[in-house]
Amino acid sequence: DQQVKQNSPSLSVQEGRISILNCDYTNSMFDYFLWYKKYPAEGPTFLISISSIKDKNEDGRFTVFLNKSAKHLSLHIVPSQPGDSAVYFCAASGNQFYFGTGTSLTVIP
Amino acid sequence: DGGITQSPKYLFRKEGQNVTLSCEQNLNHDAMYWYRQDPGQGLRLIYYSQIVNDFQKGDIAEGYSVSREKKESFPLTVTSAQKNPTAFYLCASSGELANNEQFFGPGTRLTVL
Repeated sequence: DQQVKQNSPSLSVQEGRISILNCDYTNSMFDYFLWYKKYPAEGPTFLISISSIKDKNEDGRFTVFLNKSAKHLSLHIVPSQPGDSAVYFCAASGNQFYFGTGTSLTVIP
Repeated sequence: DGGITQSPKYLFRKEGQNVTLSCEQNLNHDAMYWYRQDPGQGLRLIYYSQIVNDFQKGDIAEGYSVSREKKESFPLTVTSAQKNPTAFYLCASSGELANNEQFFGPGTRLTVL
């Protein structure tokens, strides 16, 4: 049973516009959430994280929002750049890490 | 340079053969993990180890075995009992606390012919 879900397998955005990637989770005991970025044939690299005691964390062009009541988090990238084209995984941490299925982002120049 | 290395990047084996994937880290991390990635699926946890000489099964441990004799090393053996071993395998490590970020290796693409 998938505890972390990314319902959009792919997303295309024009360069300079905002990219919004969504993630839902089922376990209210998760206390830490992370986003990873992955290029083909490479391991994921850490992007940004948020603790369950916060509802927003910002790092440059990347902002993660957490809505605990809805068990939903989102990653905003603004402005989007062609180099942001990759697969983005969200992850949740309880006693172990659980990963979503990934969303493939394509930023069109 | 600190990091995680996995070798080889691509690996081919005949059906019925056991194969061992290596994972080494010099980050002084206590915890290490093995994940498998298949098309259209998230990263699924195979095994993890929180400390030397101890490891736990993840969600899809059947057909796999691991050892953790050294802090730096966490090799994964894909046995002939694994029904569908062709996949992309990722090793990761993290600090002591469960909510520390995980650092991933570059991955090994295993193809069983």
